Amino acid sequence: DQQVKQNSPSLSVQEGRISILNCDYTNSMFDYFLWYKKYPAEGPTFLISISSIKDKNEDGRFTVFLNKSAKHLSLHIVPSQPGDSAVYFCAASAGFGNEKLTFGTGTRLTIIP
Amino acid sequence: SQTIHQWPATLVQPVGSPLSLECTVEGTSNPNLYWYRQAAGRGLQLLFYSVGIGQISSEVPQNLSASRPQDRQFILSSKKLLLSDSGFYLCAWRPTYYEQYFGPGTRLTVT
Repeated sequence: DQQVKQNSPSLSVQEGRISILNCDYTNSMFDYFLWYKKYPAEGPTFLISISSIKDKNEDGRFTVFLNKSAKHLSLHIVPSQPGDSAVYFCAASAGFGNEKLTFGTGTRLTIIP
Repeated sequence: SQTIHQWPATLVQPVGSPLSLECTVEGTSNPNLYWYRQAAGRGLQLLFYSVGIGQISSEVPQNLSASRPQDRQFILSSKKLLLSDSGFYLCAWRPTYYEQYFGPGTRLTVT
């Protein structure tokens, strides 16, 4: 049972435009959400996170939005840059003290120059 | 600052051979440690995690095992590799809250 879903395996965006990556979850116990970026043959790097008590969190060009009623979160990157081309994973955690993260299957973002 | 190391970076092993992948973390104490696998075209699958020395939780039944002989050392092993064990193995650590930080990974090819 895939509790965290990224339904778009790939996305192409023109450089300078906005990239929007989506993630849906089914477990209502999830209360903390994270986005990771992964280049080929490297480990994922943490990008940005959001707690369920918020609906938006910004860090520079990256903004994460959370819609709890829809069990949906999205990552906005604006403006998109060539270095943003990577695979993006969303992840979720159920409760502080829970040791595990549940990851989605990833979305490959390609920024077109 | 904290640093996580994994070795080897790449490994090619025949079916039926043993495996030992090592992960060490510097600059922290008593971290939570994790082993993940990313198979080709797949997401990140949690294999094992450890909250302390000698404490291992297994997430997926398989022919892999994990051990934590020291506070900052996490080892992934197998007695006999299968073709399906091929993949990209990632070690991660977690300081206090939710974020996990990943090592550079090991590319394992079983032939």
